[in-house]
Amino acid sequence: QQQVKQSPQSLIVQKGGISIINCAYENTAFDYFPWYQQFPGKGPALLIAIRPDVSEKKEGRFTISFNKSAKQFSLHIMDSQPGDSATYFCAASMMTGANNLFFGTGTRLTVIP
Amino acid sequence: ETGVTQSPTHLIKTRGQQVTLRCSSQSGHNTVSWYQQALGQGPQFIFQYYREEENGRGNFPPRFSGLQFPNYSSELNVNALELDDSALYLCASSLDRVSSYEQYFGPGTRLTVT
Repeated sequence: QQQVKQSPQSLIVQKGGISIINCAYENTAFDYFPWYQQFPGKGPALLIAIRPDVSEKKEGRFTISFNKSAKQFSLHIMDSQPGDSATYFCAASMMTGANNLFFGTGTRLTVIP
Repeated sequence: ETGVTQSPTHLIKTRGQQVTLRCSSQSGHNTVSWYQQALGQGPQFIFQYYREEENGRGNFPPRFSGLQFPNYSSELNVNALELDDSALYLCASSLDRVSSYEQYFGPGTRLTVT
């Protein structure tokens, strides 16, 4: 059973556009939601993370929006650049007790010049 | 500050063999987690080690085992390799057990089982 569902599977965006990736979860015990960026042949790199006590977190061109009642969260990449082309994974974890990460299935983002 | 390192980078093994993968955690981090990432999928949690003790395990059979050493480096051992074990194996380190939800990944070891 997939604990975190991610969509779309792939995304093509023009340079300068906004990339939006969505995730949904079922387990209300999750209270930490990170996003990872992975380039081919590399390990996932922690990009940005949010906790459910805030509805939005912004770091540079990257913004997480969080909807606790809908159990959904999304990553917005503003002014997308070709260098942003990578696979993005959302994940969820519990900050107490078992705190392994449950990952989504990934979104392959391609930003075309 | 040194990040998470893993060795080897690539490995080819035959079905039925045993393999050992190694990980050095980020400087100052004492908690290590291992994940399996099949092609085109998200990482799946194998287990976590804190201060040389297993601190949680995912849905993987006992032939997946691990160790953590006093310097917090870690090993993942897989016995009786199966074709489905072909994957990228990722090690992630965390500052400590309390904050082990915040994980920093190494580059991974690509294991191919033939």
